[in-house]
Amino acid sequence: TQLLEQSPQFLSIQEGENLTVYCNSSSVFSSLQWYRQEPGEGPVLLVTVVTGGEVKKLKRLTFQFGDARKDSSLHITAAQPGDTGLYLCATQTGANNLFFGTGTRLTVIP
Amino acid sequence: DAGITQSPRHKVTETGTPVTLRCHQTENHRYMYWYRQDPGHGLRLIHYSYGVKDTDKGEVSDGYSVSRSKTEDFLLTLESATSSQTSVYFCAISVAGGSTTGELFFGEGSRLTVL
Repeated sequence: TQLLEQSPQFLSIQEGENLTVYCNSSSVFSSLQWYRQEPGEGPVLLVTVVTGGEVKKLKRLTFQFGDARKDSSLHITAAQPGDTGLYLCATQTGANNLFFGTGTRLTVIP
Repeated sequence: DAGITQSPRHKVTETGTPVTLRCHQTENHRYMYWYRQDPGHGLRLIHYSYGVKDTDKGEVSDGYSVSRSKTEDFLLTLESATSSQTSVYFCAISVAGGSTTGELFFGEGSRLTVL
């Protein structure tokens, strides 16, 4: 069982649609990070959520940390082709390891 | 831009040969990491360094060694490459010096194919 379960694994939508992807676990986290990775590049940090119930917005992206700090969601409003990529959630395990989920691969069709 | 450069970006090698991947940073950060990324497994930590000559193992360290003789360079070595080490390797740095949130900045990756 993965520490972080991301769903869906793949998502293909039309430009302009809304979508939500999820990162779930049975463990409680002190914090959770979301990264986006484009083909041929390394992951890029989008946001860190720390407080249970916290909501952060980054333009059309809304990130939420569950009240119990066991899950998180990423909602994209009016998706654009530039949103295409692999979305990864990650959390710190131990002092010096960042554990990653396997990601949601999003394709936004023009 | 955290000033991370990985080399080589692409390499094809044969089973049993040694391979060294280099990660170079320009900003003097203390913590550096090597991850591998494979389908179905996400990113997994191989080794990390918390200073010159200070390194430790990660989740998937078997078959890999690392060295850090100066702050700016972190080398990952496969002493005898195997096909299971075919992967994309990412170097990362923690710009907050190993903060409690562990936020990382990644290089562009090195794609290694072992035939």
